[in-house]
Amino acid sequence: GAGVSQSPSNKVTEKGKDVELRCDPISGHTALYWYRQRLGQGLEFLIYFQGNSAPDKSGLPSDRFSAERTGESVSTLTIQRTQQEDSAVYLCASSLATGGGGYYNEQFFGPGTRLTVL
Amino acid sequence: AQRVTQPEKLLSVFKGAPVELKCNYSYSGSPELFWYVQYSRQRLQLLLRHISRESIKGFTADLNKGETSFHLKKPFAQEEDSAMYYCALSASTYKYIFGTGTRLKVLA
Repeated sequence: GAGVSQSPSNKVTEKGKDVELRCDPISGHTALYWYRQRLGQGLEFLIYFQGNSAPDKSGLPSDRFSAERTGESVSTLTIQRTQQEDSAVYLCASSLATGGGGYYNEQFFGPGTRLTVL
Repeated sequence: AQRVTQPEKLLSVFKGAPVELKCNYSYSGSPELFWYVQYSRQRLQLLLRHISRESIKGFTADLNKGETSFHLKKPFAQEEDSAMYYCALSASTYKYIFGTGTRLKVLA
């Protein structure tokens, strides 16, 4: 594909409902990242996948948040029992690999999903 | 604690004027610093990284370890430079820490 895609672009939900956010990375990119961006704040790291393994879940804000990835393809971020503080733009990014020796691969970002919890 | 600080939320300059977007970081190891940019209605994208020592679209950024800064500079601002700019630090091979961003407005 042309780049990282995310769906839906906008999601409005009621407090207490579950939501699923989807990310399609660039084909061949082994690394995938989820970030959260609250209004007026920077990007907050949530989780990282290398292939379908998530070696670092430390950024997930609570146990209501979970994510999975199928192979080196689609990833889904699930938020259970949504709260108003979950309202934010959720960004997904992918990179070809994670580098070492001082070189870090460029992250390609999707357009984001704007989540509004009423 | 690992932190990236961008003190200015909004920076307005006139076309042709010099631009400096400030970024300070807090990190105990050897940092890898980046600038990302988001133009209106476009995605966040990499502008430059310090290890490449490159100049992109006339922008440069020098890592100053003594001052723990990575300010983004351009000698002559253009209207098309108007965008949101994020400074980011890579705390490991994959984990990025982003600043809160600075909106640059270049006035005609």
